[in-house]
Amino acid sequence: DTGVSQDPRHKITKRGQNVTFRCDPISEHNRLYWYRQTLGQGPEFLTYFQNEAQLEKSRLLSDRFSAERPKGSFSTLEIQRTEQGDSAMYLCASSSKAGVYNEQFFGPGTRLTVL
Amino acid sequence: AQKITQTQPGMFVQEKEAVTLDCTYDTSDQSYGLFWYKQPSSGEMIFLIYQGSYDEQNATEGRYSLNFQKARKSANLVISASQLGDSAMYFCAMREGQYAGGTSYGKLTFGQGTILTVHP
Repeated sequence: DTGVSQDPRHKITKRGQNVTFRCDPISEHNRLYWYRQTLGQGPEFLTYFQNEAQLEKSRLLSDRFSAERPKGSFSTLEIQRTEQGDSAMYLCASSSKAGVYNEQFFGPGTRLTVL
Repeated sequence: AQKITQTQPGMFVQEKEAVTLDCTYDTSDQSYGLFWYKQPSSGEMIFLIYQGSYDEQNATEGRYSLNFQKARKSANLVISASQLGDSAMYFCAMREGQYAGGTSYGKLTFGQGTILTVHP
């Protein structure tokens, strides 16, 4: 069990550029979540996948944000035309319906800085 | 809508002593789950302990215990025998549904967090 991995760990970009983050969940987990965490705050839910289906999106996820999970394995989160307000830590988590508590296992996050 | 409140921005404790981190929640649901996560400076969220709304006994996991008072809507985390490695940010979180099903799909609502510093 290698845990949830995210790539890249850090991303610095200029305002207006597009960025894409990748998340690889724990292999047998069919549920995948994206959260955003700004400095000094708790994570906020962005979107949820069950297998390849995106079943829920937060209103925080503006039209500039898109997430995919092709084939129900890894997931990508793309931000188009980045703004300074997008600077945050983007966390990915996965869980299994079969878990005792169905707790979510988090990756190390991708820290985005928009200049 | 669910809401989690952590009123202690920072807490200090002496090594080997116990510390309580406060968490209150607001929900109209009868079935829900409460979690505590630890976030060290490295950034990764580490699951500590879980309490289901229908669980009659307070949850315990090693040095961690959860003081669950349903009528007061509080779910405080107690860390016994604090260690230097316990210094981190701690988050309380809630999930709709004791088990991850239903229309919430298991998403978590987090509080603002409490920074715990353990002194030697």
